[in-house]
Amino acid sequence: AQKITQTQPGMFVQEKEAVTLDCTYDTSDQSYGLFWYKQPSSGEMIFLIYQGSYDEQNATEGRYSLNFQKARKSANLVISASQLGDSAMYFCAMREPGGSYIPTFGRGTSLIVHP
Amino acid sequence: NAGVMQNPRHLVRRRGQEARLRCSPMKGHSHVYWYRQLPEEGLKFMVYLQKENIIDESGMPKERFSAEFPKEGPSILRIQQVVRGDSAAYFCASSPTNANTGELFFGEGSRLTVL
Repeated sequence: AQKITQTQPGMFVQEKEAVTLDCTYDTSDQSYGLFWYKQPSSGEMIFLIYQGSYDEQNATEGRYSLNFQKARKSANLVISASQLGDSAMYFCAMREPGGSYIPTFGRGTSLIVHP
Repeated sequence: NAGVMQNPRHLVRRRGQEARLRCSPMKGHSHVYWYRQLPEEGLKFMVYLQKENIIDESGMPKERFSAEFPKEGPSILRIQQVVRGDSAAYFCASSPTNANTGELFFGEGSRLTVL
């Protein structure tokens, strides 16, 4: 079974608009961590945001926020005020005790921001 | 504080040759992870190492692939007798902890092309 599911292979958004990238996860652990990474065309992996399973508030980092719905096991990334430089692949990942804390990644979502 | 350093950035090998990929983790990080990324796909876990120990190699093919993280020097991912299917980007990441909260810091990747 997939541990991390990203159902949107590609997304398009107009510059300055907000966009939500979906991520659902599967775990039987109570304590786990969720991460989002950005991979621009240059190829490097850039850490964006982290959400702990016991964090009561949704994580925010600048224009990035994580819409964490624990009961639904979803951890969607919201990018506000999209910029052209946000065009990239976005990967959701999880660390959990049942997986020996080894980060597991989804297949990613390609985001294209239109001017 | 230097980030995760990987070299070479690009490597071309003919079928049957050996490929050696090197990774120096961030200073103070003792947990090293190798991932493989095929075109249009996410990151697939290969191996998790600490100094002088392979902790988890469940994602590594049983043959031709090996990894080490010696007491001194970088971590090495070695692929013997490469085949065309080994062509991929290989990412190394390091983390200060192996826990829910530890984000991964990635290198820029090594792109292997097998002719």
